[in-house]
Amino acid sequence: DVKVTQSSRYLVKRTGEKVFLECVQDMDHENMFWYRQDPGLGLRLIYFSYDVKMKEKGDIPEGYSVSREKKERFSLILESASTNQTSMYLCASSPPGIGYEQYFGPGTRLTVT
Amino acid sequence: AQKITQTQPGMFVQEKEAVTLDCTYDTSDQSYGLFWYKQPSSGEMIFLIYQGSYDEQNATEGRYSLNFQKARKSANLVISASQLGDSAMYFCAMRGLYNNNDMRFGAGTRLTVKP
Repeated sequence: DVKVTQSSRYLVKRTGEKVFLECVQDMDHENMFWYRQDPGLGLRLIYFSYDVKMKEKGDIPEGYSVSREKKERFSLILESASTNQTSMYLCASSPPGIGYEQYFGPGTRLTVT
Repeated sequence: AQKITQTQPGMFVQEKEAVTLDCTYDTSDQSYGLFWYKQPSSGEMIFLIYQGSYDEQNATEGRYSLNFQKARKSANLVISASQLGDSAMYFCAMRGLYNNNDMRFGAGTRLTVKP
């Protein structure tokens, strides 16, 4: 059974803290993605990676960075968390190519106070 | 850049009736894939159906079908014989050939099935 796991389901952090969200997939997928989901806005792409150490900015990369040192792991980093980064964060992975769907993790609900 | 538009924030449908959820897209890619996902209240993302830009036939998967009109850049999801368990958020998404196959989503439509 294919699986994408995220390090936490719920996370509460303080403003200014550095936050790491981890995502691991066991399907040997080249592509991995980070989205944030907010009501009325759908899923917005933050960053994605098409190979180890390779990354591309999505639509809302400001305030975030990513790291992909190993194929199975893709980390999202909030360098200095702010209250407007309170959101649901979803990680996904897929093979490369336009015909492949993404497999999603369960999500991390991050609250920044 | 790719853009997905879902203009219906919420929809209601009577149980056992059919419902169409709208999706339009904008892209300069010649080859692309269109996807629909369902997100129930549990939060998991469930892949429903896929349509390739060069597929001549509309995709179907059980009660789900995709009404693909390439010239109008629309990819509407049709759910036939709605069930109470169909109540969920539905997202349209597109994956382009260029830019390393990134994937973009629309804002979603919340479907409520009435008994």
